[in-house]
Amino acid sequence: AQSVSQHNHHVILSEAASLELGCNYSYGGTVNLFWYVQYPGQHLQLLLKYFSGDPLVKGIKGFEAEFIKSKFSFNLRKPSVQWSDTAEYFCAVNRDSSASKIIFGSGTRLSIRP
Amino acid sequence: DAGVIQSPRHEVTEMGQEVTLRCKPISGHDYLFWYRQTMMRGLELLIYFNNNVPIDDSGMPEDRFSAKMPNASFSTLKIQPSEPRDSAVYFCASSYLLGSANTGELFFGEGSRLTVL
Repeated sequence: AQSVSQHNHHVILSEAASLELGCNYSYGGTVNLFWYVQYPGQHLQLLLKYFSGDPLVKGIKGFEAEFIKSKFSFNLRKPSVQWSDTAEYFCAVNRDSSASKIIFGSGTRLSIRP
Repeated sequence: DAGVIQSPRHEVTEMGQEVTLRCKPISGHDYLFWYRQTMMRGLELLIYFNNNVPIDDSGMPEDRFSAKMPNASFSTLKIQPSEPRDSAVYFCASSYLLGSANTGELFFGEGSRLTVL
């Protein structure tokens, strides 16, 4: 079955540190990949997405993610985090644009020390 | 646009009671999803609809859960009877086609936090 794995459940960083959150998926065909963010007390919102083309995707608030097909990975990165990045981050996958079933990883809670 | 609207935002009920959660998707969106979020299991897809028709309900935990979408602007998720293990945040999300393809981007509501005592 298709699955999404986020190996880091809770990451704690200091402000200005660099961030990388891991995401791996199990499906071998064409996939669309997403990162969503959920700030405390808020709903999920899209951070960035990959459909095709350049595997390095830039999103909002300085985030980027790189799709590495050979590794089935879509890791999220940010060179310098801020306290306001404290949130839960979810990786998500759907198999291709004709398939609407979007599967989420278990999430990674990011805590930033001011 | 007002976004996806869910109600109630919070509900506290006793075991055995019926619970109905409501969702109004963004106008023009033809996909609607119900997700459940818990600490233990993360974000689980329960069911989704396309043009008001249920497409995949394989995530619905058991027969106590049912979902309907009588028209393009309204959906309900019902739990009858409710149990303490149903306590969770239930999110509704909608999305739309761009050309012939689903964009894959979900627009989430604020969620309904359910506590079953």
